[in-house]
Amino acid sequence: DTEVTQTPKHLVMGMTNKKSLKCEQHMGHRAMYWYKQKAKKPPELMFVYSYEKLSINESVPSRFSPECPNSSLLNLHLHALQPEDSALYLCASRGGGTDTQYFGPGTRLTVL
Amino acid sequence: GQSLEQPSEVTAVEGAIVQINCTYQTSGFYGLSWYQQHDGGAPTFLSYNALDGLEETGRFSSFLSRSDSYGYLLLQELQMKDSASYFCAVRDSGYSTLTFGKGTMLLVSP
Repeated sequence: DTEVTQTPKHLVMGMTNKKSLKCEQHMGHRAMYWYKQKAKKPPELMFVYSYEKLSINESVPSRFSPECPNSSLLNLHLHALQPEDSALYLCASRGGGTDTQYFGPGTRLTVL
Repeated sequence: GQSLEQPSEVTAVEGAIVQINCTYQTSGFYGLSWYQQHDGGAPTFLSYNALDGLEETGRFSSFLSRSDSYGYLLLQELQMKDSASYFCAVRDSGYSTLTFGKGTMLLVSP
């Protein structure tokens, strides 16, 4: 099973809302990633978790707050977002000894 | 800095062969990956090269020349379903993070 799941598929939120994106994998992967992707652009790395610890934060604004409750789950908490944060948010995971990342289907976020 | 160059768009007809090139300039290099992404979908891993040479997986092959900082993805017997964006990506550090190229949109026509 090489599946990464993400919920919700679509999310519309106002600039004052608080919402969370969820990502789950059961492949035993210990590295998990959050990416942001704008239309017709490549995925842009936001955060990396390794063994449930945040190892990389690519200077992401604090209105995005990641969390890794356990080795299978990754959350992205959203607060006071801006319309320019509207994008596809992708989660990915990677097993040890390989560079291959497995991506979830993404959450299409619209900020009004 | 890091940069990966790939053509923005390639067009081909069903049954043809197409090659998508990728040149990279990175501070380090551990391997070159290729991902396919259909419109509205998630990136899907296609192929990986850490060493020079050709890797073949079904209709898709990938080639790497480390001395030339160059690789390509070769798609054979093109099908309509191959219409998608293709990204090359480099792991350039020990953190196993990927730097993606801007993507090549492949349009396959009947």
